[in-house]
Amino acid sequence: ETGVTQTPRHLVMGMTNKKSLKCEQHLGHNAMYWYKQSAKKPLELMFVYNFKEQTENNSVPSRFSPECPNSSHLFLHLHTLQPEDSALYLCASSQDWTEYNEQFFGPGTRLTVL
Amino acid sequence: AQSVTQLDSQVPVFEEAPVELRCNYSSSVSVYLFWYVQYPNQGLQLLLKYLSGSTLVKGINGFEAEFNKSQTSFHLRKPSVHISDTAEYFCAVKGNKLVFGAGTILRVKS
Repeated sequence: ETGVTQTPRHLVMGMTNKKSLKCEQHLGHNAMYWYKQSAKKPLELMFVYNFKEQTENNSVPSRFSPECPNSSHLFLHLHTLQPEDSALYLCASSQDWTEYNEQFFGPGTRLTVL
Repeated sequence: AQSVTQLDSQVPVFEEAPVELRCNYSSSVSVYLFWYVQYPNQGLQLLLKYLSGSTLVKGINGFEAEFNKSQTSFHLRKPSVHISDTAEYFCAVKGNKLVFGAGTILRVKS
């Protein structure tokens, strides 16, 4: 595997389910990100981890819980989601969290909440 | 705080024609500017970036963009598009935070 991988690619869940999204980067980067991409809305940054430490949480509801066990892996744990949480969730990584470093994106997980 | 406006939600264009995708931004601090492309069912890929120096930036796939500080713009251009350029393009600005525009869908028709 190369670059940034995300699993699963598609997920359908009920509002009472608990599921997790997984992201893995094979680039030796130290910063990882979760984004939410909804139709006709700008990409929303949710969380930033730099050297496994959370450095940014953009007022994300607590039903989204990130976990970064090491610099290569990032999880997004989901529980009691709402239909409006349906979106494409993108993971990205960069060398570290500085202004000009390019972010490399995974293909995303398409989440549908019923 | 920063904001990014992509003025066109969709741009249809014929193959081999030139194209310009517009991006304007506002920021109270100095910024770095980026254009990303997203092909169907894929993540975003960096096309080009402006950090400093020459205001004309060349990227991959024949795209270029010009930073205009007085007009706070960073428009993306390509002199001759291909069918394979059909995708969604995102302008992004990094000041205190990285902020993305809403995207412009480029549809190249034969």
